[in-house]
Amino acid sequence: AQSVTQPDIHITVSEGASLELRCNYSYGATPYLFWYVQSPGQGLQLLLKYFSGDTLVQGIKGFEAEFKRSQSSFNLRKPSVHWSDAAEYFCAVGDILTGGGNKLTFGTGTQLKVEL
Amino acid sequence: DTGVSQNPRHKITKRGQNVTFRCDPISEHNRLYWYRQTLGQGPEFLTYFQNEAQLEKSRLLSDRFSAERPKGSFSTLEIQRTEQGDSAMYLCATLKEDNSPLHFGNGTRLTVT
Repeated sequence: AQSVTQPDIHITVSEGASLELRCNYSYGATPYLFWYVQSPGQGLQLLLKYFSGDTLVQGIKGFEAEFKRSQSSFNLRKPSVHWSDAAEYFCAVGDILTGGGNKLTFGTGTQLKVEL
Repeated sequence: DTGVSQNPRHKITKRGQNVTFRCDPISEHNRLYWYRQTLGQGPEFLTYFQNEAQLEKSRLLSDRFSAERPKGSFSTLEIQRTEQGDSAMYLCATLKEDNSPLHFGNGTRLTVT
């Protein structure tokens, strides 16, 4: 069965500092990978996704992620964090075989706090 | 594009009562998913529809849960004989076609007392 591990439950960074959120997945084939962001009391917003092709994926709000098959990782990065980036971030893997790739298995999330 | 709409936003109910949530998808979005999110966890897949057809149900969806999408537009999720363990945020998400982004609603937060 597929699974996603986000090893960092909480991360605190200073505004303007760089950010990297870790994600490791387990899936039997080439995965569909996603990063979502969730603000308190809100639904999830897609930051970026990887289906195939270039392993460095650009997303919205200045985020990017790199798919590394050898490490089973899909880490999210941002060169300079803004206070408005404080939120919870979820990595997810999509089941290609069912659900059209959008039957997602999510990690437990990383809560990002930004210090001014 | 008015977004995925979920109602109600909050529902408090007593154990043993039935509750029903509604999800209105973005226009022309053929595929609709239900997820459940408990505190401190990521969302978990419950079920999904392609138009009016329910194509898959998770083992998380016990006999007390039923979802419908009668005309391939809005969907309802009903929980019968609610239990405290049903307390969670129920999220609906829709998309137009494969490889297009999944749009989530803001969810319905259920509290069972």
